[in-house]
Amino acid sequence: GDSVTQMEGPVTLSEEAFLTINCTYTATGYPSLFWYVQYPGEGLQLLLKATKADDKGSNKGFEATYRKETTSFHLEKGSVQVSDSAVYFCALTTGRGSQGNLIFGKGTKLSVKP
Amino acid sequence: GAVVSQHPSRVICKSGTSVKIECRSLDFQATTMFWYRQFPKKSLMLMATSNEGSKATYEQGVEKDKFLINHASLTLSTLTVTSAHPEDSSFYICSIHSGLAGAYEQYFGPGTRLTVT
Repeated sequence: GDSVTQMEGPVTLSEEAFLTINCTYTATGYPSLFWYVQYPGEGLQLLLKATKADDKGSNKGFEATYRKETTSFHLEKGSVQVSDSAVYFCALTTGRGSQGNLIFGKGTKLSVKP
Repeated sequence: GAVVSQHPSRVICKSGTSVKIECRSLDFQATTMFWYRQFPKKSLMLMATSNEGSKATYEQGVEKDKFLINHASLTLSTLTVTSAHPEDSSFYICSIHSGLAGAYEQYFGPGTRLTVT
């Protein structure tokens, strides 16, 4: 079945360090790929998305490129801030029409130290 | 994006009692809502898909008689955990979906922490 695998956390970085969180997927068809972020005490928020191969999603300095050849959607940011501390979830959906249920990875907790 | 609220944010109940969790779409008419369960250090697991005006579709392994879902309006879905047991303790999260073709974004509520003693 469809699945998402992302790197285990927690990840601890110093402010202004480079961030990469790996995500690979298994899916039939042509999935859309997402990164969601969950800040402490809050619900999940969509961070960025890509709906077809070679698309690059970007938001708030974060980027991820849909790589069909490696079935990957790695999240990157050039210079992290303390405010980026959160749990990051990679997800996919192959849904069509109104049924867009998401399949999530296990989440990666990021802690950024000043 | 759409704003989604959940109530209560945290609830403690005794074994054998039932608990109702509300999910509201505050600024959007949601034809489809999803209910997820999140275990500690694990991923979100889809429990069921709720469509306004019709019966919910449950994922394999989720007991529909234990987790009752009602999507009575375009802005409200409820999840009732019946005869709760300690193993039902978890973080329950709802999300809404626009239902528009090609629009796959979901907007999530802040979650409800259920503790069954």
